[in-house]
Amino acid sequence: QSVLTQPPSVSGAPGQRVTISCTGSFSNIGAGFGLHWYQHLPGTAPKLLIYDNTLRPSGVPDRFSGSKSGTSASLAITGLQAEDEADYYCQSYDSSLSAYVFGTGTKVTVL
Amino acid sequence: EVQLVQSGAEVKKSGESLKISCKGSGYSFTNYWIGWVRQMPGKGLEWMGIIYPGDSDTRYSPSFQGQVTMSADKSISTAYLQWSSLKASDTAMYYCARLLGAAPAYYFDYWGQGTLVTVSS
Repeated sequence: QSVLTQPPSVSGAPGQRVTISCTGSFSNIGAGFGLHWYQHLPGTAPKLLIYDNTLRPSGVPDRFSGSKSGTSASLAITGLQAEDEADYYCQSYDSSLSAYVFGTGTKVTVL
Repeated sequence: EVQLVQSGAEVKKSGESLKISCKGSGYSFTNYWIGWVRQMPGKGLEWMGIIYPGDSDTRYSPSFQGQVTMSADKSISTAYLQWSSLKASDTAMYYCARLLGAAPAYYFDYWGQGTLVTVSS
């Protein structure tokens, strides 16, 4: 049972904007630990999309953006494209568990 | 170019032992933590533990402590994940990944391609 909660699925038409929430607590997101996002197409290696709440690694399109407030964070995808259809996971560190934790995962469907 | 290349898929029977590998290249292998992540069929990502190849310091998730053993051979830039007695419930895809960032709030910046482990009862 993950300590980071995400909606199971979100969907949008091509070109639209979708957001994925990640809700944690005061021992992870709320403690100030960085919140990171990954894109995962089943059968392939997960890909780092956002690190330290808002930063994009080189090569990640600026259509992807992250934000954080209190004990929650969000990933926004603007200008949704067919290739964005994948599973998305948030990840942080939890000081109560002394463990790295992943969110429950969100499947993004492009209609 | 940073690369993590994992060993191939394995099919085993319950009770058998197994050791899978993750070979790093394109960076100083001894200076970065390596993590292992499990994905069971149809499920999400689970952190299993991390190892620092420089001195083999290891931290396990409480969920995996005693269930698996992590090790590393820095002479060949390879990390390992092993089981002494597999169970059907160990059937999953296993990923290794390099950790980056400021301790303890690391993130996983490069990932291996995954090793599928199938255990039949």
